[in-house]
Amino acid sequence: AQKVTQAQTEISVVEKEDVTLDCVYETRDTTYYLFWYKQPPSGELVFLIRRNSFDEQNEISGRYSWNFQKSTSSFNFTITASQVVDSAVYFCALSEETDSWGKLQFGAGTQVVVTP
Amino acid sequence: AAGVIQSPRHLIKEKRETATLKCYPIPRHDTVYWYQQGPGQDPQFLISFYEKMQSDKGSIPDRFSAQQFSDYHSELNMSSLELGDSALYFCASSKQGGLNTEAFFGQGTRLTVV
Repeated sequence: AQKVTQAQTEISVVEKEDVTLDCVYETRDTTYYLFWYKQPPSGELVFLIRRNSFDEQNEISGRYSWNFQKSTSSFNFTITASQVVDSAVYFCALSEETDSWGKLQFGAGTQVVVTP
Repeated sequence: AAGVIQSPRHLIKEKRETATLKCYPIPRHDTVYWYQQGPGQDPQFLISFYEKMQSDKGSIPDRFSAQQFSDYHSELNMSSLELGDSALYFCASSKQGGLNTEAFFGQGTRLTVV
């Protein structure tokens, strides 16, 4: 069963609009880690953020912000004032390993298209 | 900063041939992971190694094998290639233990089987 659900297949916005990507996860573990990765058209996977299950503090990094809510098992990602360079596929991922964060269960990804 | 290096970047093979993909982790990283990403799909975990020993196994076909060498680089060997093996293969590395790190991915090897 899919443990990470990204219900939005594609989101299209015009530059400077905000865009929020939804991520819902499922796990029975009390300790787990959530990630967001960006995959631009060039294909590489770029690490954006990691959150621990015991730290629900939201985070902001420049135009990026993340909202982690354990009550709804969600870890949403917002890009503020989007730019064309934000066009990419964004993956939410879950790791249930406590000593190895590289074994990831990815969501299906959300394609973000930002037009000028 | 040094990143994960994968070679080759692109590879074209015929059905039933073999292929070897190489991965050089970030210095001082002791764990390597291999992923397969089919067209339009999310990356799927194949196998991982920690300190040269296999640490976990995912949906890796029996036709594939991998190992991690003493210098921590890893190779993914794929035999009897099938058209369905055409995908982007990622290697990632991390550091385990008290200084856990998240996984950093290489740029991937795009394998095309014709």
